[in-house]
Amino acid sequence: DIQMTQSPSSLSASVGDRVTITCRASQSISSYLNWYQQKPGKAPKLLIYAASSLQSGVPSRFSGSGSGTDFTLTISSLQPEDFATYYCQQSYSTPRITFGQGTRLEIK
Amino acid sequence: QVQLVQSGAEVKKPGASVKVSCKASGYTFTSYAMHWVRQAPGQRLEWMGWINAGNGNTKYSQKFQGRVTITRDTSASTAYMELSSLRSEDTAVYYCAREDAGLGDYYYMDVWGKGTTVTVSS
Repeated sequence: DIQMTQSPSSLSASVGDRVTITCRASQSISSYLNWYQQKPGKAPKLLIYAASSLQSGVPSRFSGSGSGTDFTLTISSLQPEDFATYYCQQSYSTPRITFGQGTRLEIK
Repeated sequence: QVQLVQSGAEVKKPGASVKVSCKASGYTFTSYAMHWVRQAPGQRLEWMGWINAGNGNTKYSQKFQGRVTITRDTSASTAYMELSSLRSEDTAVYYCAREDAGLGDYYYMDVWGKGTTVTVSS
């Protein structure tokens, strides 16, 4: 199985900050990488697919980059509604997908 | 609108089985595949299996092989996930999620059910 590792596991930031979350794959996955946002008690929401393509309806302050084994999710200016947990997910071996352990973004 | 409606919360005893349903609406059910993903309390999302709703082909995580069965009823636009031999570690929220693709073969899960809480307790 392809292992996905995110860093950091948790992060404190303030409204207006620029935040970057990293995801690393245990082998090259080209650009087969998706990002989801999950709020407490809710289902995950797709933000980014194919490493850098913004899902329809997602604010442009979210962006993704990377290919191969190293990927980043960037939020350019944090808004109050962005405090949540973020997961990366590889689709290289679809349908046998795997997720990162999550990054919890908290208010400082 | 496109949505997935899951069945309600379940409480089961160890050793029992649970069957969770996921009813699709707002799109052609057989044109998309469906994943099942679970999340134990405080844990990461964990992939369980997948079904091609068109032809019924399935793939399962090795972790759950032999214990999980995913099926679909095309006439009801509903997918099902059955997990047997339940143990306390199976206490989790179980999600169904529609698989779509963009830019050719970049697959992702764009529509999720709200989740079904399964509690395994004696």
